[in-house]
Amino acid sequence: KQEVTQIPAALSVPEGENLVLNCSFTDSAIYNLQWFRQDPGKGLTSLLLIQSSQREQTSGRLNASLDKSSGRSTLYIAASQPGDSATYLCAVTPGANNLFFGTGTRLTVIP
Amino acid sequence: DAMVIQNPRYQVTQFGKPVTLSCSQTLNHNVMYWYQQKSSQAPKLLFHYYDKDFNNEADTPDNFQSRRPNTSFCFLDIRSPGLGDAAMYLCATSRDRTAMNTEAFFGQGTRLTVV
Repeated sequence: KQEVTQIPAALSVPEGENLVLNCSFTDSAIYNLQWFRQDPGKGLTSLLLIQSSQREQTSGRLNASLDKSSGRSTLYIAASQPGDSATYLCAVTPGANNLFFGTGTRLTVIP
Repeated sequence: DAMVIQNPRYQVTQFGKPVTLSCSQTLNHNVMYWYQQKSSQAPKLLFHYYDKDFNNEADTPDNFQSRRPNTSFCFLDIRSPGLGDAAMYLCATSRDRTAMNTEAFFGQGTRLTVV
């Protein structure tokens, strides 16, 4: 059974720092991996989608990498801002119609 | 513009009183999902529709039902809400199920409180 783990569970950084969030999954048979952002009491906003054949994707200050063989993904956030404060969730899509989520990393960027 | 819209954003219901949550989409996607997310937990899939084909997760309680009258709308019915059903309910869509470039889009969620 697919399991997704995100470490750390919470992270506080001063504004302007670069940071890395980690995601690991146990079954490498995935179609893709998605990173989401969730603000308190809100839904999920898709940040990046990495197909299983890709190694990384970039959007603005965000860069996500995927090492499928080792079951790992990272989300790199450059020059963090207070507005980046949120919970970041990664999710993998296995063979059939589901997203397996990690429990997320709660990020606080301190002004 | 919002592409996956959930109504209401907040719902308070009485213990045991049936409640319906609504989701609509403007993306014309084939697949619609319902997830349950409890505090500080990962979202958990309840069921999904691929077109009109309903797919229930094995551990989804019978208390939870769903309807998809057309491509754009999907409803989550909780027949007899218990205190343990208080959670955020998330609706999501995707164009397909298993293509590598299939991205999932989520609504803003409905926060359900059971009193």
